[in-house]
Amino acid sequence: DGGITQSPKYLFRKEGQNVTLSCEQNLNHDAMYWYRQDPGQGLRLIYYSQIVNDFQKGDIAEGYSVSREKKESFPLTVTSAQKNPTAFYLCASKRDPGTYEQYFGPGTRLTVT
Amino acid sequence: ELKVEQNPLFLSMQEGKNYTIYCNYSTTSDRLYWYRQDPGKSLESLFVLLSNGAVKQEGRLMASLDTKARLSTLHITAAVHDLSATYFCAVGIQGAQKLVFGQGTRLTINP
Repeated sequence: DGGITQSPKYLFRKEGQNVTLSCEQNLNHDAMYWYRQDPGQGLRLIYYSQIVNDFQKGDIAEGYSVSREKKESFPLTVTSAQKNPTAFYLCASKRDPGTYEQYFGPGTRLTVT
Repeated sequence: ELKVEQNPLFLSMQEGKNYTIYCNYSTTSDRLYWYRQDPGKSLESLFVLLSNGAVKQEGRLMASLDTKARLSTLHITAAVHDLSATYFCAVGIQGAQKLVFGQGTRLTINP
């Protein structure tokens, strides 16, 4: 079965701790994306990567970091510098440069107290 | 900077009625996507609109694109409760490999 997996589904952390969210895809897609969604809001782009070992900042990159060492994997680290990290985080991927359509993973709900 | 605006943001309607959700965007694009999100869930792709005048239909939902007016519509015909969800439109930024999302329209269909 091809798809995008995110783990864990729910994540709880204490304030001041870094936390890494996993995103894996077996669709052989080149591009991958991280979004943040707050309650009742739309999606805001955090980081994206169009190719291995390369990534670009989105609209709200401050307090986050990413890596793209493998085509299949695009982990997101929420650092202690992120002022309000509690949110629903969605990972997506895209097949090739000819399309903009993105496929989404199931999401990780992060709660920081 | 591309801006995408949906209206209405909240819509409560009765089963059996028709209604339309509007998606306006601020700069030229001919790539528009509609997604559905159920509470607590991820986004599911509904429609891909890739040219001016494109129209797609699936069941009680129909989406259209007018690139000259920079407007897409999502029309609901004879609504049923199962269509209750939040609907997002997203526009492709020409020259960049990313989407800009609207705020979402939370649709509630009452029996």
